[in-house]
Order: sequence, then C-alpha cells, then structure tokens
Amino acid sequence: GQSLEQPSEVTAVEGAIVQINCTYQTSGFYGLSWYQQHDGGAPTFLSYNALDGLEETGRFSSFLSRSDSYGYLLLQELQMKDSASYFCAVRDAGRRALTFGSGTRLQVQP
Amino acid sequence: DARVTQTPRHKVTEMGQEVTMRCQPILGHNTVFWYRQTMMQGLELLAYFRNRAPLDDSGMPKDRFSAEMPDATLATLKIQPSEPRDSAVYFCASGLVQDPTDTQYFGPGTRLTVL
Repeated sequence: GQSLEQPSEVTAVEGAIVQINCTYQTSGFYGLSWYQQHDGGAPTFLSYNALDGLEETGRFSSFLSRSDSYGYLLLQELQMKDSASYFCAVRDAGRRALTFGSGTRLQVQP
Repeated sequence: DARVTQTPRHKVTEMGQEVTMRCQPILGHNTVFWYRQTMMQGLELLAYFRNRAPLDDSGMPKDRFSAEMPDATLATLKIQPSEPRDSAVYFCASGLVQDPTDTQYFGPGTRLTVL
C-alpha cells in the first residue's frame, strides 16, 4: 500500500518563504504530485516530480528525493491568497489512481 | 473552458434514501475518479474508471455504493440506502491515461448531508 506524511498546519507571514514537507511509503513509485485546495473549493494540480531535483513554476517549486522517499513544496513571496490546504500525492503502482496525504493547512498572515 | 461538472452541488437527504451524484468529465478524458473527502479521513479514492471500464472500486463500501459510466460523458455514484456517516464532499476528477504527470482535474464536488 501507500502512505504519506505531511505536517497538518503551517503558518507564515506575507512575503515569506514556506516549505511543506512530504514523506511517503509506496510499493512502486512513479511520481509525487502536489495539489492546492482552498476552503470550499476543489483540489487543483500544482506540480509533479518523477525525477530527483527541483521543478520551478513561478513562485512555487517542488523537490523530490527518491532515495529518501521525500519531497517538498516551496512557496515563495507568500500572498494571502496562498492560504489553503496543500496535498502531496503518489501514484499507485500499476495504475493511475493517486493516494493523497492528509493535507497541510497553510495560513498566511499579514 | 473545459472543466469537470458535478450535480447536484449540494444534497440534503434523510437516512435510508437513495442518493445519485452525477459527473461530466472533461471531453476527451479517458480516466474518471470518484473521491470522498471528510475532515477525519481526508481524500479517499472510491472508484476509478479507464475508458469507461471500472478498474478499481476497492475503496467503496460495496453493500451500499455503486459507480457506473453509462457513456463517456457521464459518470454516476449512487448510495442506497444512505447513512449519516456518508455525509461528506464527493469529488469527481478526470484525466488522460497518457498524461505522464497523472494530472487529475477535479469537479466542484457534491456536498452531501445525510440526516
């Protein structure tokens, strides 16, 4: 099976940088994804890492270390609108279904 | 612009009643997923279809839940009979099996309350 661990809550101030960590256990690893979900909204795709290293998309970056079964989402120049829950997810071996972590609630304060 | 649609957006029903939730995946997408989200359990996969064929429904309580794709533009999730513990937000998502990033596009969800 698959399991993922991520912090339940993170608080940061506007303009700062925050890192949300995710460790995973899976029988067959294909890639680590990140999704954002605002309160009352639906999860939306942010990033995907299949290989080790850093992927950058604007203010958001995602990192993966397959040897450590670890990844993180880095959010820079935080804005109030970044307040949301962030989920890491891994793809199940042999199929396209994702297993999601329990989510990290990010609160950005002025 | 292409998006996943779900109906109804909200549903309040009484225990024992049948509930049917509908999803229209993005046109051309060939994978469809049903998830349930609660505060306690997070996002749980209920069912997964590829090219309309059910590939995995191991996350679904079989005695009361059923999921179908009568055609490529419609996926349904049915609960019969419903119970208060089924209260949750149910999301449908779609994607492309050939997408190497496995990106899933989520609908707005159906918020179900069973009294």
